[in-house]
Formats: sequence, structure tokens, C-alpha cells
Amino acid sequence: DAGVIQSPRHEVTEMGQEVTLRCKPISGHDYLFWYRQTMMRGLELLIYFNNNVPIDDSGMPEDRFSAKMPNASFSTLKIQPSEPRDSAVYFCASSWGGSGEAFFGQGTRLTVV
Amino acid sequence: RKEVEQDPGPFNVPEGATVAFNCTYSNSASQSFFWYRQDCRKEPKLLMSVYSSGNEDGRFTAQLNRASQYISLLIRDSKLSDSATYLCVVTGGYQKVTFGIGTKLQVIP
Repeated sequence: DAGVIQSPRHEVTEMGQEVTLRCKPISGHDYLFWYRQTMMRGLELLIYFNNNVPIDDSGMPEDRFSAKMPNASFSTLKIQPSEPRDSAVYFCASSWGGSGEAFFGQGTRLTVV
Repeated sequence: RKEVEQDPGPFNVPEGATVAFNCTYSNSASQSFFWYRQDCRKEPKLLMSVYSSGNEDGRFTAQLNRASQYISLLIRDSKLSDSATYLCVVTGGYQKVTFGIGTKLQVIP
């Protein structure tokens, strides 16, 4: 299995631009998580899905952030408009319900200038 | 109070030393507990699960204390390759996975 695949690996964008991060979970996993990691705040759960349905989006910082999961093999996290304080590493992870073990993608390092 | 709390460190220990990390959690209904390891600029990876009876994997021992709501990780005979950040993870209802901020370990030659 290829594991969780995220794209792009690196993204540099100007403030105000729209950013879309992509994730392909491990086949057969029914949970998908989006995390943001910064030095100051560590790993923060933004939103997670179960069977493509958003379960908890209380970690989404504000309306500029949105996430979708149109099918079991694809999810996006969109930031519009982006701001410098959004600069972080964004991880996608997936798991199979009941196991508790989350498998992470390699992350997208986002820099907003 | 944060859901999961850890001392961020860093813990600087000499090779061969024994080091222990604790992590406290606030939700008494938490169901599953894990330790993850994250190397610099890499993604977190599962190190070990934490069972109520405690569990050991080579030089690593994990324990859970539900009464006091904390989990611990003990590393014996530290190796240089153990240098990493160790993340405490707690899973609650609906499989919500919450990470601690991580404890940075640096093993010194």
C-alpha cells in the first residue's frame, strides 16, 4: 500500500491567494483527519471525517478554512483567502475505525508570504 | 485545561540513560492511548499502543494510570537514534484523536 498521499509537498503562496491541499487516504480506511502543526501549538486537529461525512470541524480556525471529502479516496482542505499566519505543516491522516492508529501523510509545508 | 498535556522538553540525556515521559489527559472517558514518534521534518508514526495492564516493546515501556489520568513512556538504554519528539495521543468518542504537543528528546553521545 502506498500509504496516505498528500499533495503538494510544499506550497508558497502570496497572502490573499486561495490554497488547496489534497489528500488520498489509505484504501479501506473510514476515518480521515486534517491536522495543522506549528512550533508554538503543536499538532492541532482541524476536522475529521467518518465515511466521507464531517464529524467534528470545531478545530477549523475560521471561515477561511473549508474541507471536503467527495468520496472515500479523496479529500481537500482549502484556505481562501490565505494569510501569513496560516503558514504551517498540514498533515492528513487516515485510520480504520476501532483501531485507533492513525497513518499520516508526509504533510504539506505551506508558506504564505 | 488542554485535553492532552505534555512537557515539551527538551530532555537532553546521555547515551545509555533511562528517560521517562508523562502525559496527562483531561477526559476521563478517553478510550485509547498511544505514543507516536516524530522525527524532525517528518510525519508522526505510531510507536506503541498503551494498554491498561502496561506493555513493553524492547527498550520501551508504556503504562496507563486511569485513576490519575496519565500515561507514561519509559525508554531504557537510550540510543542516539531515539532522538525525536514523542507525542502522546488520546482517542475519545467517535474516534477523535487528540495529540499532545510532544516531548523532544535529544540523546547525547
